[in-house]
Parts: sequence; structure tokens; C-alpha cells
Amino acid sequence: KAGVTQTPRYLIKTRGQQVTLSCSPISGHRSVSWYQQTPGQGLQFLFEYFSETQRNKGNFPGRFSGRQFSNSRSEMNVSTLELGDSALYLCASSLDSPTTGELFFGEGSRLTVL
Amino acid sequence: QQPVQSPQAVILREGEDAVINCSSSKALYSVHWYRQKHGEAPVFLMILLKGGEQMRHEKISASFNEKKQQSSLYLTASQLSYSGTYFCGTYVTQGGSEKLVFGKGTKLTVNP
Repeated sequence: KAGVTQTPRYLIKTRGQQVTLSCSPISGHRSVSWYQQTPGQGLQFLFEYFSETQRNKGNFPGRFSGRQFSNSRSEMNVSTLELGDSALYLCASSLDSPTTGELFFGEGSRLTVL
Repeated sequence: QQPVQSPQAVILREGEDAVINCSSSKALYSVHWYRQKHGEAPVFLMILLKGGEQMRHEKISASFNEKKQQSSLYLTASQLSYSGTYFCGTYVTQGGSEKLVFGKGTKLTVNP
């Protein structure tokens, strides 16, 4: 059974640019959550999608957005990049609710903003 | 609302025991534990539910004290493979959103 796949694994952008990250969940999983991981703040929840709808969101500015497709694949977009957006972005899938079930994490997309 | 983990880091020799604590200022309904090895994705260890039993994952067990709003992870007879950063997560409802909020992690190093 394939795990959670995230692309690209590494990317470098400059301030002001935008970036799109992709996540393919485990087959059959309908919930996809996104987390930002930094050394100082740890794992911070961005948002969760379920059946193509944003079900929950964290406390990030509107520059951070996402979407989910009918095949459960998800993308997140960060516009007008800032230096502080440099981080590892992790996607996690679960069968249903991430609050009561196991999350399966991808290896992440490491974004560097110069 | 972020749970507080202690200690921030711990260094052990193989075979020694360790305890990692996770505390919350709010009532806990569930506590989730994950381990992340360097350069890898976090991996699920266990979920403890309010009123539930103590859980185990190999030689790692955890307890959930509702009164103290705290969970503890017990690593017994540690192995080299236990090295990594351990995160606890708690379920939070805020502004109509439900989310799993993680602590900042406890870095565990097991040396031969």
C-alpha cells in the first residue's frame, strides 16, 4: 500500500513569489491535513480537507490556501512568500477524522525562501 | 492551547528508561503520540482517549491523567531505534474548527 506522497520534496523561492505543493494521500483516505514544521514552533496546523471541502483551519494568514480534488489529492498554495515561510510542509492523510484516528504523514516539502 | 512537553531533550544509554510528559491548560479528551526520526515523517505511536486504557506500542506505553490534564509516555529498556523527536497532540476546538495541536516535541537520543 503506497504511503502519502508529497511533491516537490525540495524547492527554493524568493520573497514575493508563490508556491504550490502537492499531496497524494493513501488510497481510500478522504481527509488530508497540512502542517508547517519549523524548529522554533514545531508542528503547526494549517488546514484540513475532507471530501473536497475545507473542514478545519488553523491560524495562518490568507496567503496560505489549499484545495482538495475529487480523488482526494490536495494542494496547498502560499502566495507572496515571506522569509518566515521557510519550513517543512507536511501533509497527512487519515481515513476520516484526524482528531480520532491515526495520521499518516508524508515526508514533506522543504521550502526555502530567499 | 499548544500542549507543553517536558523535558525538551533527553539523552539515554541503551537499556535505560525515560518518561516524557505532555500537559495541557485545557481539559483533555484525547492525546496523540507521534515519533519523528531525523529526516523522516512523523509516525503514529498511539492515541489515548478519555476514560480509556493505558496503551502500548512495543516497549513504549502511555498513560492519561484527566485530573492533571496530562499524559506521560514511558520508554522502557530503550533501544537505539527509539531515538527521535516525540510529539504529543491534543484535540482543540477553536472558532468552529477542530484541530490536532502538537507540542514542540521532546528530542530523545539513545546512545550505545
